[in-house]
Amino acid sequence: GIQVEQSPPDLILQEGANSTLRCNFSDSVNNLQWFHQNPWGQLINLFYIPSGTKQNGRLSATTVATERYSLLYISSSQTTDSGVYFCAVLETSGSRLTFGEGTQLTVNP
Amino acid sequence: EAGVTQFPSHSVIEKGQTVTLRCDPISGHDNLYWYRRVMGKEIKFLLHFVKESKQDESGMPNNRFLAERTGGTYSTLKVQPAELEDSGVYFCASSRGLQETQYFGPGTRLLVL
Repeated sequence: GIQVEQSPPDLILQEGANSTLRCNFSDSVNNLQWFHQNPWGQLINLFYIPSGTKQNGRLSATTVATERYSLLYISSSQTTDSGVYFCAVLETSGSRLTFGEGTQLTVNP
Repeated sequence: EAGVTQFPSHSVIEKGQTVTLRCDPISGHDNLYWYRRVMGKEIKFLLHFVKESKQDESGMPNNRFLAERTGGTYSTLKVQPAELEDSGVYFCASSRGLQETQYFGPGTRLLVL
């Protein structure tokens, strides 16, 4: 099956800093989603981005499908951004999302 | 529009007991999925319903897990008997179309003692 790798596994920032999270995948995909799992365990949809660039406030994401990677940018980070960020992909032939292992982000005040 | 809801939010049971988790998808979403995250590892697919039919249950770990979606609306996931390694967070998701955005519920935290 498809492999999804996220980097870095852990990231510690000071409030106000910017960061870039990366997601590499091993095969063609029909869908790519970024999620934020907050400290209460809830999975929040951030982006549905099989290709191109999208922005939502301080967050933006870019997927380069031909090179099989996606980037999530967080600008002016806040303590509430802390949690685990997951990338998940949907293979062209399937219906299940395959998740990466996540990036644990800690934003300190 | 209400999102995906799950019940209960938390469950603490003893090894050998039975637990039933419930998921209500977004209205009009024919596709319903179960996933779980155990022991802080990655989130893994369990199974997929299209309406009331099991489309793909290849992720179900063993026959202690039984999922149903009678009438094609809400779904239940029963674990019987529960084992220690079943502890984790169980997520439900739904989507309108097969390759469309999957919207996740808040999850059920299961702790088996």
